[in-house]
Amino acid sequence: QQQVKQSPQSLIVQKGGISIINCAYENTAFDYFPWYQQFPGKGPALLIAIRPDVSEKKEGRFTISFNKSAKQFSLHIMDSQPGDSATYFCAASMTGNMLTFGGGTRLMVKP
Amino acid sequence: GAGVSQSPSNKVTEKGKDVELRCDPISGHTALYWYRQSLGQGLEFLIYFQGNSAPDKSGLPSDRFSAERTGGSVSTLTIQRTQQEDSAVYLCASSFDRDTEAFFGQGTRLTVV
Repeated sequence: QQQVKQSPQSLIVQKGGISIINCAYENTAFDYFPWYQQFPGKGPALLIAIRPDVSEKKEGRFTISFNKSAKQFSLHIMDSQPGDSATYFCAASMTGNMLTFGGGTRLMVKP
Repeated sequence: GAGVSQSPSNKVTEKGKDVELRCDPISGHTALYWYRQSLGQGLEFLIYFQGNSAPDKSGLPSDRFSAERTGGSVSTLTIQRTQQEDSAVYLCASSFDRDTEAFFGQGTRLTVV
């Protein structure tokens, strides 16, 4: 059972544009929603995370929007840069870092 | 060390052989996690250690998989009688405690031929 569904699987954005990646979850007991960035040959690295008591969190060019009633959350990358080209994973957990990951989105930012 | 270290970085083994994968967490991190990343199944949680004990083994896919952690530091993931479907990248992560940021290693790419 896929508890966290992520879309799109791949995304191409022009430099300076906005990248938007969406995730939906099923388990209402989830209380921690991080996003990870992974470059080829590397392990995932935490980008930004949110808890369900807030609807939005912003860190630099990265923003998480959270909709508890819809059980959805999204990552927005403003002013996307070629260096942002990577695979992005959303995740959710009930307990700390025992994470259920989405399927991943391969982002390519064209110069 | 500066980060989570995993060895070997690549491992090719014959079907039916046993393999051991090693993880050296960041010094002082009490929590340690193993994940598996494969094309078909994405990123899957395998096991969580707090100190030397494993309160959550729920993600281990079969009894061929086991893990231990000694001295609250190094962890070994053992796969017995490897099968082709075990081919994946095995990722280790550690965190100061269960609820703080987890840092991932670069993984061990296991290929079963």
